[in-house]
Amino acid sequence: AQKITQTQPGMFVQEKEAVTLDCTYDTSDPSYGLFWYKQPSSGEMIFLIYQGSYDQQNATEGRYSLNFQKARKSANLVISASQLGDSAMYFCAMRGTYTGGFKTIFGAGTRLFVKA
Amino acid sequence: EAGVAQSPRYKIIEKRQSVAFWCNPISGHATLYWYQQILGQGPKLLIQFQNNGVVDDSQLPKDRFSAERLKGVDSTLKIQPAKLEDSAVYLCASSLNRPGQGRAGELFFGEGSRLTVL
Repeated sequence: AQKITQTQPGMFVQEKEAVTLDCTYDTSDPSYGLFWYKQPSSGEMIFLIYQGSYDQQNATEGRYSLNFQKARKSANLVISASQLGDSAMYFCAMRGTYTGGFKTIFGAGTRLFVKA
Repeated sequence: EAGVAQSPRYKIIEKRQSVAFWCNPISGHATLYWYQQILGQGPKLLIQFQNNGVVDDSQLPKDRFSAERLKGVDSTLKIQPAKLEDSAVYLCASSLNRPGQGRAGELFFGEGSRLTVL
């Protein structure tokens, strides 16, 4: 069975500093995709970054990078130079393939607070 | 490009009443998902369609929830009868082609339909 675990219910970070949001996953699929989404208080879900399980390099998208450690089954999101607008819920998600039934499941989320 | 459309945005009903939500995915997106997001929690997959066939509905409470996707485009999610614990935001999402093709599995979400059951 697939599972996503986010162990940090809430995180604080000072504006302009970097922050790491943790995500671990479990799957028996040989091929899978990992995603991070941001959900501001307005409620919309915004795609941030994607990492394929066979990608050799860690994904980066602007100020977002994904620290992918396949052996540890972790896919942590790193936000550099935090901004006040980064305050939101952040969800790690995984899309399975064969045994995962091509489903996309989400973790419980981490609420990030950026302090001025 | 138009995004995923959902309606209604808000709905308040009493327990044991029925409610229906509608979703129109992004044009050309074959895969459509309904998620339930209870306040403070992550989205929980209720049902996933590939075109007009069901890929997964293992977490759909089938005694009260039903969903259909006619002609592989629009979808409706119905709850009858509603319970207090059904109070949540119902998110519809779509993705391009068959999941498993890299970032093609990226989900595009609608604004959600917030349900309050009294």
